[in-house]
Amino acid sequence: NAGVTQTPKFRILKIGQSMTLQCTQDMNHNYMYWYRQDPGMGLKLIYYSVGAGITDKGEVPNGYNVSRSTTEDFPLRLELAAPSQTSVYFCASRDSVAEAFFGQGTRLTVV
Amino acid sequence: RKEVEQDPGPFNVPEGATVAFNCTYSNSASQSFFWYRQDCRKEPKLLMSVYSSGNEDGRFTAQLNRASQYISLLIRDSKLSDSATYLCVVTGTDSSYKLIFGSGTRLLVRP
Repeated sequence: NAGVTQTPKFRILKIGQSMTLQCTQDMNHNYMYWYRQDPGMGLKLIYYSVGAGITDKGEVPNGYNVSRSTTEDFPLRLELAAPSQTSVYFCASRDSVAEAFFGQGTRLTVV
Repeated sequence: RKEVEQDPGPFNVPEGATVAFNCTYSNSASQSFFWYRQDCRKEPKLLMSVYSSGNEDGRFTAQLNRASQYISLLIRDSKLSDSATYLCVVTGTDSSYKLIFGSGTRLLVRP
């Protein structure tokens, strides 16, 4: 059982480039989330989804987009990368009020 | 005011010590409460859920006081392996079940 899988694990982007962070879960969870964590800080919610075809903004959505075409996949798109987007990105899924499971994270540096 | 507040620490304790972490949350309608553990540069992992009646898991005891909007975690007989950041997490009150994180309390257990 793989749980939540994120790719890539590391990436360096140049300012203005774009990329997609992939997230896949095999637990058939309806609820999926993208968080970012800056050094020494807690996790901040970027976007979330309550099911296939439904997405909504979290606390810090600017500069990002998401889609949820299937229950399993919830990719996060960065357009026009900026240094302020240097962070660690975590994808998570859960089954309503139960425990949330996290991917191993993507460490992104924008230079 | 932050939705979930924690003392950032660090708490520096000797092996075998008892240490307590506190957390307050702002939304009285919050329904689910958790403590997650995060090791350096890793994803958060569930330590334990927190129930109104209080609950214990080995050396760990969690308490919830809804009237004071306060959550606690007690670690007895600290081990070196307990060194980590402990995240207080509250579920939002809408149907998205999104997790709201405190910024974490860092624990260092020394020999």
